Amino acid sequence: DAGITQSPRHKVTETGTPVTLRCHQTENHRYMYWYRQDPGHGLRLIHYSYGVKDTDKGEVSDGYSVSRSKTEDFLLTLESATSSQTSVYFCAIAEDGTDTQYFGPGTRLTVL
Amino acid sequence: SQQGEEDPQALSIQEGENATMNCSYKTSINNLQWYRQNSGRGLVHLILIRSNEREKHSGRLRVTLDTSKKSSSLLITASRAADTASYFCATDATGFQKLVFGTGTRLLVSP
Repeated sequence: DAGITQSPRHKVTETGTPVTLRCHQTENHRYMYWYRQDPGHGLRLIHYSYGVKDTDKGEVSDGYSVSRSKTEDFLLTLESATSSQTSVYFCAIAEDGTDTQYFGPGTRLTVL
Repeated sequence: SQQGEEDPQALSIQEGENATMNCSYKTSINNLQWYRQNSGRGLVHLILIRSNEREKHSGRLRVTLDTSKKSSSLLITASRAADTASYFCATDATGFQKLVFGTGTRLLVSP
């Protein structure tokens, strides 16, 4: 998976609790992305980063925040998890000047 | 809103047959990409076609792009059981790789 890891791989949590998902890369790529995948919706972009401390919103950013303090790490935080955030979350990376994204293995999150 | 819509939603064929999947999108794009996802795994990039290209080949894959119709097709020739997966098109309209994915086509290739 192109030097991308995601942690945890599975998580079950309760409504109202904060949750942080981590994406770690060893490729030193500039761009990093968080997507969620739900049946019938394909993948939808939550947030992305184009450099350390440079982030922007995607299509479905409400209820999510991100941080990138180092090139290799991109954190996704659900400030107060809701059942509608039950999903599979994928991180992706891309090198500057290319158009190909490389995906991590995903995190399955269940919010009860 | 989803930019890419794919059809069929599911496709079942025999090994050796060709598989064709179609993708339609709504706005002007910089490029269109196809990805494969095996069950329970992350997506893998297959091929990219730019807005000024009409056809592209990679091994057993052939992609066409018709910007006037805002549509693309992916052809997999001589399918193998290992091609069983979901296939997604993704478009980049901004040039910053903010990809918008379609809902995917589930391909089943039977031995």
